[in-house]
Amino acid sequence: AQSVTQLGSHVSVSEGALVLLRCNYSSSVPPYLFWYVQYPNQGLQLLLKYTSAATLVKGINGFEAEFKKSETSFHLTKPSAHMSDAAEYFCAVRGSASKIIFGSGTRLSIRP
Amino acid sequence: DTAVSQTPKYLVTQMGNDKSIKCEQNLGHDTMYWYKQDSKKFLKIMFSYNNKELIINETVPNRFSPKSPDKAHLNLHINSLELGDSAVYFCASSQATTQQETQYFGPGTRLLVL
Repeated sequence: AQSVTQLGSHVSVSEGALVLLRCNYSSSVPPYLFWYVQYPNQGLQLLLKYTSAATLVKGINGFEAEFKKSETSFHLTKPSAHMSDAAEYFCAVRGSASKIIFGSGTRLSIRP
Repeated sequence: DTAVSQTPKYLVTQMGNDKSIKCEQNLGHDTMYWYKQDSKKFLKIMFSYNNKELIINETVPNRFSPKSPDKAHLNLHINSLELGDSAVYFCASSQATTQQETQYFGPGTRLLVL
């Protein structure tokens, strides 16, 4: 069965600093992995997805993630944080029968 | 031009009542889903329909009944509401049930049961 684990329920960085949100996956088959973002009181928006075409995936708003099979990781990064990046971020893996299995989420706060 | 829309956005009701949440997608997708997000932000799938047929039914109480009148709509009816049903419910849709398909989410319905 597939699952994802997000390390750190809350990450705080200064504006302009590197953002690193960690996600490790468990899957018995080649995984399809996603990062979604949820802004306060809003729905989920897809940031990026990994579908085995390339290990470095670029998404919207300057975010990217690198798939590392040896580390079973799919960490999300952004070189320079902006105040508007403050949100909840969810790592997810595609499970059986098309359902998406979400991690527990990481709240990103940006300090001025 | 909203892709996946839900109504209502907020729903406050008393225990024991019956309520419905509606979802519509204008993306032409074949598959629709309902997810529940609890107070700790944990998201879990509840149901999935493909072309009006139920394909995923997680261990959800039978007080929850999805209805898909056509492939653009997936409504969620909840009978005898309980305090624990308070959550945010998200509808989503995707083109197909293949592994690579992206799911597009609605804005959510915030349900509070008093």
